[in-house]
Amino acid sequence: DTGVSQDPRHKITKRGQNVTFRCDPISEHNRLYWYRQTLGQGPEFLTYFQNEAQLEKSRLLSDRFSAERPKGSFSTLEIQRTEQGDSAMYLCASSSSQGKGTEAFFGQGTRLTVV
Amino acid sequence: GNSVTQMEGPVTLSEEAFLTINCTYTATGYPSLFWYVQYPGEGLQLLLKATKADDKGSNKGFEATYRKETTSFHLEKGSVQVSDSAVYFCALIKAGSARQLTFGSGTQLTVLP
Repeated sequence: DTGVSQDPRHKITKRGQNVTFRCDPISEHNRLYWYRQTLGQGPEFLTYFQNEAQLEKSRLLSDRFSAERPKGSFSTLEIQRTEQGDSAMYLCASSSSQGKGTEAFFGQGTRLTVV
Repeated sequence: GNSVTQMEGPVTLSEEAFLTINCTYTATGYPSLFWYVQYPGEGLQLLLKATKADDKGSNKGFEATYRKETTSFHLEKGSVQVSDSAVYFCALIKAGSARQLTFGSGTQLTVLP
């Protein structure tokens, strides 16, 4: 088990461009979460998938943000028409709804800088 | 709504000192409580958890007790090491929710040799 992996680790983009991030969860985990973390703050919840279904979205997730998990395995988070305020660390986490070990495991994150 | 308030940092201690990082929460029902740690250059890791009142979570010498009467989950360690230098996040999961975490703002701990 290699843990939760995210790609890329760093992304610098110009304002107005679209970006897409990928998250590969722990293979047996059916739950997947996206969080955003800005400097000096704790992570804030963005959205949640159980298998391929997106079951919850935060009000933080504006219309420019879209997330998918098409086969219930990896997930992508796309930001369209990026703004400087989108600069943050984007974290992915996964967990299992089965058994006792239901805590979330986090990836190392994708740091986005919008210039 | 749910919220977590934790002690502002940064906190600087000498090796072998006693550590307390305060955490209080606001939530309806009976949330589960967590401490996560983020070492430099690494992802968030679960340090310990407690799922009901009076439970004590412990790991790597760290402890925290779920106090419903004071809505607190303070993190303690009797003797810190340089390797404990990290950012510590208190968090909760609301009972019955999709299990997304609500985090505090984090406390930077630096332990000096």
